[in-house]
Amino acid sequence: NAGVIQTPRHKVTGKGQEATLWCEPISGHSAVFWYRQTIVQGLEFLTYFRNQAPIDDSGMPKERFSAQMPNQSHSTLKIQSTQPQDSAVYLCASSLWGGARAAETLYFGSGTRLTVL
Amino acid sequence: GQQVQQSPASLVLQEGENAELQCNFSSTATQLQWFYQSPGGSLVSLLSNPSGTKHTGRLTSTTVTKERRSSLHISSSQTTDSGTYLCAIVAASSGSWQLIFGSGTQLTVMP
Repeated sequence: NAGVIQTPRHKVTGKGQEATLWCEPISGHSAVFWYRQTIVQGLEFLTYFRNQAPIDDSGMPKERFSAQMPNQSHSTLKIQSTQPQDSAVYLCASSLWGGARAAETLYFGSGTRLTVL
Repeated sequence: GQQVQQSPASLVLQEGENAELQCNFSSTATQLQWFYQSPGGSLVSLLSNPSGTKHTGRLTSTTVTKERRSSLHISSSQTTDSGTYLCAIVAASSGSWQLIFGSGTQLTVMP
C-alpha cells in the first residue's frame, strides 16, 4: 500500500497563473479530504468528497478555488489566478468511510508545497 | 465554530525525559485524534481516543470528555520523537464530517 500520493511535491507559480494539485487516495477508501497548512493559520479544512460526491466545501475560498473527484482513484484541487497568499502546503487525506462509521482514521499524503511568486 | 487549543506551543526535553502535551476543545467531541508531523513530513495518526485512556508503545492518551480536554504522554522521550504533535477533533454536522486541528506542540528532544 503506497499510501496517499500527492503530486507534485513542489510547485512554483507566478502571480496570476493557474495551479493544479493532484491526489491519489488509498485504494478502497471512499473519502478524500483537502487541507491547507501555513505557519500562521495552521491546518485549515478546505473540502471533502465521499464516494466521489462533494460533501462539504465550507473551507474553500469561494473564488479561484475548485476541487473535483472525477473517479475514485484521484482528486484535483485547482487554484486559478494564484496569489502570494495562496502559498502553503496543500495536504490530501483519505479515509475508509468518510465519517459514515463512528471511529475512523485519516491518512495524509506528503503534501504539495505551493509557492506563488 | 469549534476550537482546539494546544499547550505548550513548544517543549524542549533531554532524551529520556517524559513529555506531557495538552489539548482543550470548545465543545463535546465525538472523536479525538492525535497526530505527529515530522519536520517537513506528512501527518501520521498516533491515537484515536474520544474518551478514557489509551496506550500504544510509549504513548498514553487520556481524554476527559466532559471536561473537554485530552493529554498525550510520551515516556522516555527519544531524539526521533522530535516534531510537531497535533490534536484534532471531529466536527460533524448535517452530513459533513471533518477534523478541526489545534496549532500543535513542537517537541524537541535533545541528545
